[in-house]
Amino acid sequence: EAQVTQNPRYLITVTGKKLTVTCSQNMNHEYMSWYRQDPGLGLRQIYYSMNVEVTDKGDVPEGYKVSRKEKRNFPLILESPSPNQTSLYFCASSLSRNPYNEQFFGPGTRLTVL
Amino acid sequence: DQQVKQNSPSLSVQEGRISILNCDYTNSMFDYFLWYKKYPAEGPTFLISISSIKDKNEDGRFTVFLNKSAKHLSLHIVPSQPGDSAVYFCAASDNYGQNFVFGPGTRLSVLP
Repeated sequence: EAQVTQNPRYLITVTGKKLTVTCSQNMNHEYMSWYRQDPGLGLRQIYYSMNVEVTDKGDVPEGYKVSRKEKRNFPLILESPSPNQTSLYFCASSLSRNPYNEQFFGPGTRLTVL
Repeated sequence: DQQVKQNSPSLSVQEGRISILNCDYTNSMFDYFLWYKKYPAEGPTFLISISSIKDKNEDGRFTVFLNKSAKHLSLHIVPSQPGDSAVYFCAASDNYGQNFVFGPGTRLSVLP
């Protein structure tokens, strides 16, 4: 089954404790991205990757890191989480950045930073 | 300033009636518009899209209308079904995906 998976689905942590949210897709997609969803703001892009070893900042990259060492995986790293990073996070993938290619989203990771 | 606006945070409709979800945008460089549907505890899924060269696109019960001069698009669902209850996100993009923006979403409740 074609899908995007994320882990963990739920995470409660404390300020400053490094964490990683994993994302994996099995569709051989080149383009992957991370979004956060906050009430009243919709989905905002954090980082994206056009291909292996090619990553770039989205609209809200502060406090986040990513890596793309393999085509299928695109982990999101919070080196020192803060309460304002409490949010619902989605990973997405598509054939390319072209908007005519459908983006497939993972099920989401709900993160709470205390 | 939000480039894509959905001014109704929520909407309730009776089963069988029409649901109309609205979306406004400010950036005239947007050329491609999409609607995504999101159920609780799931990621958004693509629903329907429209290019700026068209003013209407239909897919079964779902129709999207685009008024470029007014920078306004709408999603019509006819007839509405309880399974349509979800959050609907409007999104807009330039032709290259360099500026892809989601609206804040509208929660649709279809009442049996």
